Amino acid sequence: NAGVTQTPKFQVLKTGQSMTLQCAQDMNHEYMSWYRQDPGMGLRLIHYSVGAGITDQGEVPNGYNVSRSTTEDFPLRLLSAAPSQTSVYFCASGRSNTGELFFGEGSRLTVL
Amino acid sequence: GNSVTQMEGPVTLSEEAFLTINCTYTATGYPSLFWYVQYPGEGLQLLLKATKADDKGSNKGFEATYRKETTSFHLEKGSVQVSDSAVYFCALSDSLDSGGGADGLTFGKGTHLIIQP
Repeated sequence: NAGVTQTPKFQVLKTGQSMTLQCAQDMNHEYMSWYRQDPGMGLRLIHYSVGAGITDQGEVPNGYNVSRSTTEDFPLRLLSAAPSQTSVYFCASGRSNTGELFFGEGSRLTVL
Repeated sequence: GNSVTQMEGPVTLSEEAFLTINCTYTATGYPSLFWYVQYPGEGLQLLLKATKADDKGSNKGFEATYRKETTSFHLEKGSVQVSDSAVYFCALSDSLDSGGGADGLTFGKGTHLIIQP
């Protein structure tokens, strides 16, 4: 019963470093997405995908890249980390025709 | 565009008190409405949902009714417990009206609920 698995759970980066947040789901969901959660801001959509090979931008895509080579995996890449990207990141998946999402446990990223 | 407005709190109640968390929305289509709950250190999990006007979603003693005339989806519980302490998010999705292809939920900012024994 893995559901949505995110790694790592915690990460500290220096400004300018790059890294990838991993996300995998075992529910055969077409839809996957990345959100960031910041105090007083709620959850904001970064990127999403409605199937393998298809990705699109959300509300706050700048500074992040994604790809979807398989149904199961949806990694989020930070090419040059900035302090403004300090946040908690959540990956979520779901069936495209329901709007109901299943969330991972989150990845807390600190950029110094 | 779509938006969700909810009281931010923190909301502090005593155990067994009645709970209401207000949520109103703005949407261009015919959205589905959701309440998600986030316990400390965890991801969000679906609490309840409603897909059309006048539907009532319910789960774990929580209820919310989809009111199209007032564009609201207020969360209620008759008697809260300490274990209900969490952050509650109201959200909407209009993907059903667009014929599928969820392009993301629109979330409110979350309401932090604290229940004291």
